Amino acid sequence: EVQLVESGGGLIQPGGSLRLSCAASGFSVSNFYMTWVRQAPGKGLDWVSVIHTSDNTDYTDSVKGRFTVSRDNSKNTLYLQMNSLRAEDTAVYYCARGRPAYNFDYWGQGTLVTVSS
Amino acid sequence: QTVVTQEPSFSVSPGGAVTLTCGLSSGSVSTSYYPSWYQQTPGQAPRTLIYNTNIRSSGVPDRFSGSILGNKAALTITGAQADDESDYYCVLYMGSGIWVFGGGTKLTVL
Repeated sequence: EVQLVESGGGLIQPGGSLRLSCAASGFSVSNFYMTWVRQAPGKGLDWVSVIHTSDNTDYTDSVKGRFTVSRDNSKNTLYLQMNSLRAEDTAVYYCARGRPAYNFDYWGQGTLVTVSS
Repeated sequence: QTVVTQEPSFSVSPGGAVTLTCGLSSGSVSTSYYPSWYQQTPGQAPRTLIYNTNIRSSGVPDRFSGSILGNKAALTITGAQADDESDYYCVLYMGSGIWVFGGGTKLTVL
């Protein structure tokens, strides 16, 4: 059974850093592209970043230079390193598995990041 | 900046049918965007309904169907039930490793 479990969220001050983790089971993260999607309180879904099977990465413009996506195949875990956090980064962050033409098929339950002083 | 458009809200009667759409602020949606649809209830993670325009995800009832209608992607729900009351999001693959979600449609069943 495919499962994705996010962790690492919490309350952080503006300008701070946080690393989110997404532990996968039932498949190998190295065989799929993996993505992060966030949802600000009361708002819609917002695509954030992707790591491809080639290890190439892409980001939405608002997080470029501040967020870094990576994975550890030995731990079967996806990460999102978030630096220089801003109030507008406050959101539930979901990891999702992706397949070409399928977009995102499995989702985690999300982890809440709150950026506030 | 490309914007993916969805109706902010829609209502349907129990047992009725409704079609939600997913368009572009500039241009037409085609199968090349691999439109997908997701259902989300408050406090829950999104659930994948449709991918690659019209392929139902495992376990999704055939009351849900996807298509291209005119210049938009479409999600049609037939035989609406109370637990279909949710937010529905589409996402389009814009190429070059970039995806864009629509703003979502809040569906009310009443």
